[in-house]
Amino acid sequence: GQQLNQSPQSMFIQEGEDVSMNCTSSSIFNTWLWYKQDPGEGPVLLIALYKAGELTSNGRLTAQFGITRKDSFLNISASIPSDVGIYFCAGQNNDMRFGAGTRLTVKP
Amino acid sequence: DTGVSQDPRHKITKRGQNVTFRCDPISEHNRLYWYRQTLGQGPEFLTYFQNEAQLEKSRLLSDRFSAERPKGSFSTLEIQRTEQGDSAMYLCASSPGQGAHVEQYFGPGTRLTVT
Repeated sequence: GQQLNQSPQSMFIQEGEDVSMNCTSSSIFNTWLWYKQDPGEGPVLLIALYKAGELTSNGRLTAQFGITRKDSFLNISASIPSDVGIYFCAGQNNDMRFGAGTRLTVKP
Repeated sequence: DTGVSQDPRHKITKRGQNVTFRCDPISEHNRLYWYRQTLGQGPEFLTYFQNEAQLEKSRLLSDRFSAERPKGSFSTLEIQRTEQGDSAMYLCASSPGQGAHVEQYFGPGTRLTVT
């Protein structure tokens, strides 16, 4: 089963709003990654984080690697309709473990 | 297109039949991974290759599953005597050889339905 607890499970927001989701684990990870998956497709890498405390941006996306190395969050600013999808966090040591995903719906 | 490709995209098979999926990684990547994803869950690791060597297998990979990467390029995943519980999306990913398993890039997946 999944070792990463991702929340919220789903979000319904209005276009233009900011979004925040997070991922926690009882285990320490050396790398945190965030992926987005559209229906019927494979996950697409959004951001990779390599150091505790690291804050990294990719356009309107910002992610942070928690100081304890047991958590990470992803923020999306000024959401747009194409942000719709499922966002997965992943923690990596010897293998990569995924959260169960946050399903984002953006209402125009 | 220089991304990871998978074939077929969809496979419907009857219980008890064997199926084989193919993955072509990004050309300069020497690490290749297989994952399984069921509805409402994130991908679950199955196995990975460094070049042609299969270095790690998950406990999810039962004896009915076998993966190969004979020349260190494309890989195949075979499921023998399929069961309904095998119905899932099978994802392949690849990554460069540097570092420890970072930045895996996924293919579009093969959706298997076992009837």
